Amino acid sequence: SQQGEEDPQALSIQEGENATMNCSYKTSINNLQWYRQNSGRGLVHLILIRSNEREKHSGRLRVTLDTSKKSSSLLITASRAADTASYFCATGLLIYNQGGKLIFGQGTELSVKP
Amino acid sequence: EAQVTQNPRYLITVTGKKLTVTCSQNMNHEYMSWYRQDPGLGLRQIYYSMNVEVTDKGDVPEGYKVSRKEKRNFPLILESPSPNQTSLYFCASSRGHSNQPQHFGDGTRLSIL
Repeated sequence: SQQGEEDPQALSIQEGENATMNCSYKTSINNLQWYRQNSGRGLVHLILIRSNEREKHSGRLRVTLDTSKKSSSLLITASRAADTASYFCATGLLIYNQGGKLIFGQGTELSVKP
Repeated sequence: EAQVTQNPRYLITVTGKKLTVTCSQNMNHEYMSWYRQDPGLGLRQIYYSMNVEVTDKGDVPEGYKVSRKEKRNFPLILESPSPNQTSLYFCASSRGHSNQPQHFGDGTRLSIL
């Protein structure tokens, strides 16, 4: 299986509810990043959390990282219809002589119904 | 406005006809890369470049070429496209290396018949 695996694959909620997406990975990481992809568009970087950080906030987004469990979660509070998108975690690895590598999970499709 | 620009956005072509997808960024980023996105397989890196004249293979480089003659441009070349290269392609750039937040283009949807 892949370095980054996301759960659930799809999530459907009502506007105003919170949405939680999880990401698990296998190897030690330098950082973990979350991206959003609207249908037919490129990925947009949301937030980066370093391996020595446990929690980070940005607006309605809250990301946690548990390196002992090799997992991360993305919480979107008070969701809006405009949050409907696919969300990807990406693990940043340090690789000697290559500078680094970023490995993407397969994503969670979030649907927020008005 | 900071952006990564890919062209074309859509292309339908035939097997064996050479094509180039251009990518340009205006942020003076050192690192650039190409990904392909396929259902069930996520994003997979094709090639990357850490700076001008420095390129290297990603996870799925077969059938592709790249060049990095200028810092802002990183074209993806398919010398002899085949139907298994039908996919959605993304160019991305960042400061430093790939561990940094990536800026993505809007994608190029290629169909090889």
